[in-house]
Amino acid sequence: DSGVTQTPKHLITATGQRVTLRCSPRSGDLSVYWYQQSLDQGLQFLIQYYNGEERAKGNILERFSAQQFPDLHSELNLSSLELGDSALYFCASSGSSARGGTFYEQYFGPGTRLTVT
Amino acid sequence: GDSVTQMEGPVTLSEEAFLTINCTYTATGYPSLFWYVQYPGEGLQLLLKATKADDKGSNKGFEATYRKETTSFHLEKGSVQVSDSAVYFCALSVAFYNQGGKLIFGQGTELSVKP
Repeated sequence: DSGVTQTPKHLITATGQRVTLRCSPRSGDLSVYWYQQSLDQGLQFLIQYYNGEERAKGNILERFSAQQFPDLHSELNLSSLELGDSALYFCASSGSSARGGTFYEQYFGPGTRLTVT
Repeated sequence: GDSVTQMEGPVTLSEEAFLTINCTYTATGYPSLFWYVQYPGEGLQLLLKATKADDKGSNKGFEATYRKETTSFHLEKGSVQVSDSAVYFCALSVAFYNQGGKLIFGQGTELSVKP
């Protein structure tokens, strides 16, 4: 168990809809990352938050947005869903100086499998 | 830009065989290197890491050495087991000060170990 939790585990929705994926990082971790895993694109970095602020952006579509809340949990919002958005979405977190952790090791949650029909 | 290239799979081995999965990288900075493993239906688990040149990461019988001169981080195991069957991902990260940094993954190599 990595200590990173994600909900829901599975999500089935229709095209055009909007969904929210939730992630709770390991206790004390300040950085949260979102990744998308699909058969054709592999594992792609979407976005990183550090202590509530956006730090880095990857191949994230304009229809997607994220935020990190004061309690450090994060949400990824996907809107106007298309069939091609079907994928596994992973959240990861990395350590903070308060825990003496390392900033470069990322621990992954179990993922949310999104199916758009 | 930064990138990671892994040998293509699937790789099929008999139990107790020697495993090598090749990984090479391109990076402009001084990356940390990782191997992650994904078992069927599960998330990614950190297998091992190396943060500077000539570091050797090891865990559960797996090893990989950070070779700056050949920009490689090949994964090896002396004797594989059926339970090692999984997809293995090589990855790099260039951390931004103390705030972490995104992981860039290779395409993954599927390993199947037969009894």
